[in-house]
Amino acid sequence: NAGVTQTPKFRILKIGQSMTLQCTQDMNHNYMYWYRQDPGMGLKLIYYSVGAGITDKGEVPNGYNVSRSTTEDFPLRLELAAPSQTSVYFCASSNQEGEQYFGPGTRLTVT
Amino acid sequence: GQSLEQPSEVTAVEGAIVQINCTYQTSGFYGLSWYQQHDGGAPTFLSYNGLDGLEETGRFSSFLSRSDSYGYLLLQELQMKDSASYFCAVRVPSYNTDKLIFGTGTRLQVFP
Repeated sequence: NAGVTQTPKFRILKIGQSMTLQCTQDMNHNYMYWYRQDPGMGLKLIYYSVGAGITDKGEVPNGYNVSRSTTEDFPLRLELAAPSQTSVYFCASSNQEGEQYFGPGTRLTVT
Repeated sequence: GQSLEQPSEVTAVEGAIVQINCTYQTSGFYGLSWYQQHDGGAPTFLSYNGLDGLEETGRFSSFLSRSDSYGYLLLQELQMKDSASYFCAVRVPSYNTDKLIFGTGTRLQVFP
């Protein structure tokens, strides 16, 4: 049981490039989330999903897109990377009312 | 809207007791959670208060008072490994699920 896995661990992008951050969970959780964490700050919710085919915006969705074609996978897409998107990105999953389980994070730098 | 306030940093020595406070302004929420995050690591769940009062889990306890818009995390018998950042988070309803709104975190440094 691997829990929540994320790839890549690190990535450097040039301004205007695009990339997809991968997230997979093997706990059969319906609920999945993407957060970003800037240095010395708390986590901000980007997007979330309550099940396959259903996604919704969080607090800071601009510049990102998501999809949820299966229960296990919840990729986050950056289309036109900007320096303001330099951050650590965490994916999490949960059952309906339970604690959230976080992946190890992806450190993204946009230069 | 919702906002949560925590002290930015707390220091203590091994074996001591420390309390990390969380005050919030939110228009309705289900409960208050606490997460621990070591440097470079992912947040991990510590405790959840759905009701007012004290919840105890080993050396950690968490308290919630909705009437005072206040909660705290109490860490006893501090160990060096407790040095980490601690985040409170309120669970708030959204139109099709619940969401967590996180505070900015408290960095705890434990000294020998």
